[in-house]
Amino acid sequence: NAGVTQTPKFQVLKTGQSMTLQCAQDMNHEYMSWYRQDPGMGLRLIHYSVGAGITDQGEVPNGYNVSRSTTEDFPLRLLSAAPSQTSVYFCASSYRPTGELFFGEGSRLTVL
Amino acid sequence: ILNVEQSPQSLHVQEGDSTNFTCSFPSSNFYALHWYRWETAKSPEALFVMTLNGDEKKKGRISATLNTKEGYSYLYIKGSQPEDSATYLCAFPRADGLTFGKGTHLIIQP
Repeated sequence: NAGVTQTPKFQVLKTGQSMTLQCAQDMNHEYMSWYRQDPGMGLRLIHYSVGAGITDQGEVPNGYNVSRSTTEDFPLRLLSAAPSQTSVYFCASSYRPTGELFFGEGSRLTVL
Repeated sequence: ILNVEQSPQSLHVQEGDSTNFTCSFPSSNFYALHWYRWETAKSPEALFVMTLNGDEKKKGRISATLNTKEGYSYLYIKGSQPEDSATYLCAFPRADGLTFGKGTHLIIQP
């Protein structure tokens, strides 16, 4: 049972570099989302998608880009990494935006 | 911006004791209230999704109650065990996804 698969688990970047966090789910969920977790703060929504070809911004979208070409995949791109983007990132999916979320294992990103 | 507040922020409980903690949320336009358990080095997993005022849900030694009129939910753990050590998150749905509280970090001491 794969569920939600995220890669990589760990990544170190230098300021200005770009990278893509991969996310895939095999539950045929229409809704997918990316959250970031920072110390002392709740999980915050970066971007979300309610179906293939549809994406929208969440609470903290600046510096990130997403696409949803298939139901299964929802990659998160950091365009030009900044130290403020050092965080733990979670991909999550659900049948609908208000439904129970299924999370990936998380990706710890450090930007130097 | 929705405010979902959880208290206390952290809690130390002796093994075998029972405990509870609180989530407060906006009482207007209520749709549902989620509880998740987040163990260290793992990802959050759903415990309960609650939708009805007065609802009570139970999973083993863990239960939750919901008061939508006053905007709060309690999570109870009966007879705490070391494996209950985790951060417990509550979340309030909105149109684009869930708004999470900061969590209650529970440590069970042997």
